[in-house]
Amino acid sequence: DAGITQSPRHKVTETGTPVTLRCHQTENHRYMYWYRQDPGHGLRLIHYSYGVKDTDKGEVSDGYSVSRSKTEDFLLTLESATSSQTSVYFCAISERGRSYGYTFGSGTRLTVV
Amino acid sequence: DQQVKQNSPSLSVQEGRISILNCDYTNSMFDYFLWYKKYPAEGPTFLISISSIKDKNEDGRFTVFLNKSAKHLSLHIVPSQPGDSAVYFCAASGGNQAGTALIFGKGTTLSVSS
Repeated sequence: DAGITQSPRHKVTETGTPVTLRCHQTENHRYMYWYRQDPGHGLRLIHYSYGVKDTDKGEVSDGYSVSRSKTEDFLLTLESATSSQTSVYFCAISERGRSYGYTFGSGTRLTVV
Repeated sequence: DQQVKQNSPSLSVQEGRISILNCDYTNSMFDYFLWYKKYPAEGPTFLISISSIKDKNEDGRFTVFLNKSAKHLSLHIVPSQPGDSAVYFCAASGGNQAGTALIFGKGTTLSVSS
């Protein structure tokens, strides 16, 4: 979907290094989310944002931080990457929150070696 | 503890037949349910949803049924087509989970053979 882009699409990083993933939207939606997808676990919420500078933790937030300094960008940072954070990360946006569905980005495949 | 469960990791169906994907939930506070479809190397895309005040919602070949007393919903695809082969995620919202966020199941991989 052209309204939401994730960067990078693929990244390989070493254990212990910090990594930042970017989600950029052009839809001016209020809500933004970060999920990770792992085999056998489906999609699990990491963090979400309900406005600029307003963020909250999800189910699997340990080891991750987020920032949202402007409406269009939601950054996910792995403070010190571990092999357990090897995953596919999806960003999602929503105009009116939970009941109206999300639009997902194409994902970032992160490998921590 | 998993609040949204998709107990069948995979389902194989012949083209033209019905596909039935199942989902169970544990949180009685959930009031909105959605199905997403995901192709490899792409993000999930919204398919169909249902509010807890309804028991059925239909959109073309796709119908979602909700049985609140059993805390169960199902997605019916009729007729199934090879292009329907994908991973299907059930999602729910409401209750006390992380604010406005959706809770997803583990997904069911549907394979439709021609």
